Amino acid sequence: DAGVTQSPTHLIKTRGQHVTLRCSPISGHKSVSWYQQVLGQGPQFIFQYYEKEERGRGNFPDRFSARQFPNYSSELNVNALLLGDSALYLCASSLGNTGREQYFGPGTRLTVT
Amino acid sequence: QKEVEQNSGPLSVPEGAIASLNCTYSDRGSQSFFWYRQYSGKSPELIMFIYSNGDKEDGRFTAQLNKASQYVSLLIRDSQPSDSATYLCAVPSYGKLTFGQGTILTVHP
Repeated sequence: DAGVTQSPTHLIKTRGQHVTLRCSPISGHKSVSWYQQVLGQGPQFIFQYYEKEERGRGNFPDRFSARQFPNYSSELNVNALLLGDSALYLCASSLGNTGREQYFGPGTRLTVT
Repeated sequence: QKEVEQNSGPLSVPEGAIASLNCTYSDRGSQSFFWYRQYSGKSPELIMFIYSNGDKEDGRFTAQLNKASQYVSLLIRDSQPSDSATYLCAVPSYGKLTFGQGTILTVHP
């Protein structure tokens, strides 16, 4: 079975631009969570979606938004990019919505110049 | 006080030794705990989870949980150079995982 997939792998954007990151969960998993990881830190929670509804939101500005589609794949959108948005963006897939046993995709490395 | 705390290390052990990684957490209501391994430039990989007090063993890995002390640890027996990575402790709550900053482990031959 395929694991969690994310695209693109790497991305370079300029300040002020917009970016869309994509994630497909493990087959049968209905929950997708997004995390941001900067160098030297643990991942920070951004959003959780379960059954196409937002179930949790971390302490991130409104420039960050996400959605989940009927096939349970998900998109993370970031508007008006700042240099500080440069990070590894991780998508995690889980069976339910309790946050337990989350499996991560390979991540998208975003660089903002 | 941070919700989940880990010593960032680096922790250096010789090949074949036991590596001990520690994590403390602030929420007394936490019921489950996860350990992830993250190689440089890669994403975190779930390697252990523990839900009840005591020890849980899986191959060379043992997770230990002490809820009274709000302390969870990961022991790696017979450490190998391939175990060199960052180890992240994570606590779930309301659908999200809260991570510590990770401990860098280096196993030298």
